[in-house]
Amino acid sequence: DAKTTQPPSMDCAEGRAANLPCNHSTISGNEYVYWYRQIHSQGPQYIIHGLKNNETNEMASLIITEDRKSSTLILPHATLRDTAVYYCIVRVQNYGQNFVFGPGTRLSVLP
Amino acid sequence: ETGVTQSPTHLIKTRGQQVTLRCSSQSGHNTVSWYQQALGQGPQFIFQYYREEENGRGNFPPRFSGLQFPNYSSELNVNALELDDSALYLCASSSGQGAVYEQYFGPGTRLTVT
Repeated sequence: DAKTTQPPSMDCAEGRAANLPCNHSTISGNEYVYWYRQIHSQGPQYIIHGLKNNETNEMASLIITEDRKSSTLILPHATLRDTAVYYCIVRVQNYGQNFVFGPGTRLSVLP
Repeated sequence: ETGVTQSPTHLIKTRGQQVTLRCSSQSGHNTVSWYQQALGQGPQFIFQYYREEENGRGNFPPRFSGLQFPNYSSELNVNALELDDSALYLCASSSGQGAVYEQYFGPGTRLTVT
């Protein structure tokens, strides 16, 4: 079973920041938080990952709480092309350890 | 740099038949994982191959089998197809180099079993 809890759906206005929450209250000390997204009928796309510190790349920012029990993915200026299902996953970084996907959050960016 | 590719894009098979799906990993990646995604659900892990050996398996029956070749490409074989095998089959590649093991997914093969 997935170790994360996400809202099933969210809406965001185009040009505004999209903040997608994820709860992972049972996360272990050696588990990373990963975010992927899946645009309709395509394979999942890697967005970002982190362990303890906040992370930022060209796509998004990842904010992890100090106790690591929850995180937020931030898309700073959402566009219509960001409409997708967003998956939050926790896992250790070892061979043989794969991603356990939950149902994710369906983000709809509205014009 | 070439991304992960999969073939065929779509496939229709009859119950009881066998199917082979193919995946070419991203350049420099030596690990391939396969996932099954039923309509409306998240991907479910089938198995992973590293250096031509199975390196982990999810909760799938033995009729799901795979291979990895010296060039790190991979095949997924499914025998005795059932209607519930209808799904999007995703291949993902990754590299063990460094501390970052994110997986890069291909576009998938849509299998329909009738």
